[in-house]
Amino acid sequence: EADIYQTPRYLVIGTGKKITLECSQTMGHDKMYWYQQDPGMELHLIHYSYGVNSTEKGDLSSESTVSRIRTEHFPLTLESARPSHTSQYLCASSKPGLASHEQFFGPGTRLTVL
Amino acid sequence: SQQGEEDPQALSIQEGENATMNCSYKTSINNLQWYRQNSGRGLVHLILIRSNEREKHSGRLRVTLDTSKKSSSLLITASRAADTASYFCATDEPPSNTGKLIFGQGTTLQVKP
Repeated sequence: EADIYQTPRYLVIGTGKKITLECSQTMGHDKMYWYQQDPGMELHLIHYSYGVNSTEKGDLSSESTVSRIRTEHFPLTLESARPSHTSQYLCASSKPGLASHEQFFGPGTRLTVL
Repeated sequence: SQQGEEDPQALSIQEGENATMNCSYKTSINNLQWYRQNSGRGLVHLILIRSNEREKHSGRLRVTLDTSKKSSSLLITASRAADTASYFCATDEPPSNTGKLIFGQGTTLQVKP
């Protein structure tokens, strides 16, 4: 099991609420990622970070925002949730360096917006 | 645009049989990785094959890479019920080693006991 954690695992909320999905890792990895995955579908990168104070948007446009104040912590925030945000959100991290390394994934947060 | 495409989308076999999944991609890569995802869980890394490698083994897994055809295959030998999961290929984003991966649609494997 990878040392990367996500909370909550499941979240059901009403439209318009502000939510923060937590992701933390204890492996000292510089690179962290957020993916969005609908059931039975591929993963889409929505945010990534190369290190503290570094955040970039991914390939899939998302209304969410992220922050990276500490190496181990990469939270994702939705200011006003909508039903279209219903999905599974996966956080991952990988080792520093130029070469692509394997990514370690958290268990995911399944978000349902009513 | 999607980099990796996999086939078949779904595969159902009996325990003990071999399972083969294929992945095709569109642009040049530095490496290709395979991941497994159990239902409702995160992904687990299985194997990484570099662009200058043609074949790699890990336990019951065998991965091949054909860069001329821009394709890869994952073979699981002597499958077990516990191998039931979705399998994804992932390629690193060209043109440089950014660490970002692009995932295929995945193959859902069911191994019947």
